[in-house]
Amino acid sequence: DQQVKQNSPSLSVQEGRISILNCDYTNSMFDYFLWYKKYPAEGPTFLISISSIKDKNEDGRFTVFLNKSAKHLSLHIVPSQPGDSAVYFCAASDFNKFYFGSGTKLNVKP
Amino acid sequence: DAGITQSPRHKVTETGTPVTLRCHQTENHRYMYWYRQDPGHGLRLIHYSYGVKDTDKGEVSDGYSVSRSKTEDFLLTLESATSSQTSVYFCAISDTGTSGAYEQYFGPGTRLTVT
Repeated sequence: DQQVKQNSPSLSVQEGRISILNCDYTNSMFDYFLWYKKYPAEGPTFLISISSIKDKNEDGRFTVFLNKSAKHLSLHIVPSQPGDSAVYFCAASDFNKFYFGSGTKLNVKP
Repeated sequence: DAGITQSPRHKVTETGTPVTLRCHQTENHRYMYWYRQDPGHGLRLIHYSYGVKDTDKGEVSDGYSVSRSKTEDFLLTLESATSSQTSVYFCAISDTGTSGAYEQYFGPGTRLTVT
């Protein structure tokens, strides 16, 4: 059973607007949540993380929100730029053991 | 960029042959990981290491073994390659960042084809 799920395989957004990527998880013992960006033929790039004891973390255009009661996290990108077009993975950590979602392909249209 | 290299970057091998993939880091991070990426599955953990000679299984460890004799090197071995092991393999390292949060960094990947 997948412990981390990204139910939207793709998302298309206009440049300058907000992109919201969603992720659900099942294990309440996860201690950290992370988001990665991946371009074709490259390794994933770490974007931002959040501790399970927080509900929001912000880094520039990227903000991650955590709703523990719903076991849901989201990544907001504002404003979206064409260079943000990539596959985004969410991941959850259980004491340094990481579980990944299947990814959401974001397309930011100029 | 985190100092992580993987070798080889591409490999084609025949069913039944042994294959070893190497991951090398220059960051002195404690944790190292091997993942495989397949369409529709995202990244799945094969094995990970939490120190020299300390390793543990991940979600998809069957058919794979690992070794870590030095902090900087983590080897993944397919004892007898099968076509189901055709995939892109990523090595990753992690440690606690300056903010206290986990940060995990990935290598460029190895594309393995088993014919």
